[in-house]
Amino acid sequence: QKEVEQNSGPLSVPEGAIASLNCTYSDRGSQSFFWYRQYSGKSPELIMSIYSNGDKEDGRFTAQLNKASQYVSLLIRDSQPSDSATYLCAVNMGGGKLIFGQGTELSVKP
Amino acid sequence: DAGVTQSPTHLIKTRGQQVTLRCSPKSGHDTVSWYQQALGQGPQFIFQYYEEEERQRGNFPDRFSGHQFPNYSSELNVNALLLGDSALYLCASSAQTGHYGYTFGSGTRLTVV
Repeated sequence: QKEVEQNSGPLSVPEGAIASLNCTYSDRGSQSFFWYRQYSGKSPELIMSIYSNGDKEDGRFTAQLNKASQYVSLLIRDSQPSDSATYLCAVNMGGGKLIFGQGTELSVKP
Repeated sequence: DAGVTQSPTHLIKTRGQQVTLRCSPKSGHDTVSWYQQALGQGPQFIFQYYEEEERQRGNFPDRFSGHQFPNYSSELNVNALLLGDSALYLCASSAQTGHYGYTFGSGTRLTVV
């Protein structure tokens, strides 16, 4: 089992729709969780962090965490073509070791 | 506010050669982690440096080594380069355990021919 797994893409949604990205992790002791956005040829950019069970909203982005199910998700509302990128789920496995999933490519069609 | 700075941006090396990549962390950050990202994959953790010591290491051979200097900057060294080492190498900095996130540099694209 991989330490951090994301649903395989690519994910294609029409402009204005909700994009849903999912991630599971193996270490029950993990305390901090992140979503990064990576445009082609660029480095990852932090867009959301979450530490407690429940939802965290920031603009059009909502991160959801369920530690009992070891599950993290990211919802993007009113998706825009500029949201087209690869989204990386990352989990702090303790002691600062940040482990990434393989990424989900999102394509928002105008 | 300077972010994470990496150099060089691109590099072409021949199999068997050695390479050194450099990273300056974001102001206020004291921990540096290095990642290798192959095309179409998520970043793979190489190792992390804190207080000039390697604190954690991923599943990479001893050909990959590093160093952290008193000013928190860091180097990644790769010896005996293989074609498979061709990738984007990313440096990320954080404050200590990285609980509040990591900031990435723009990366070094290494091509081994």
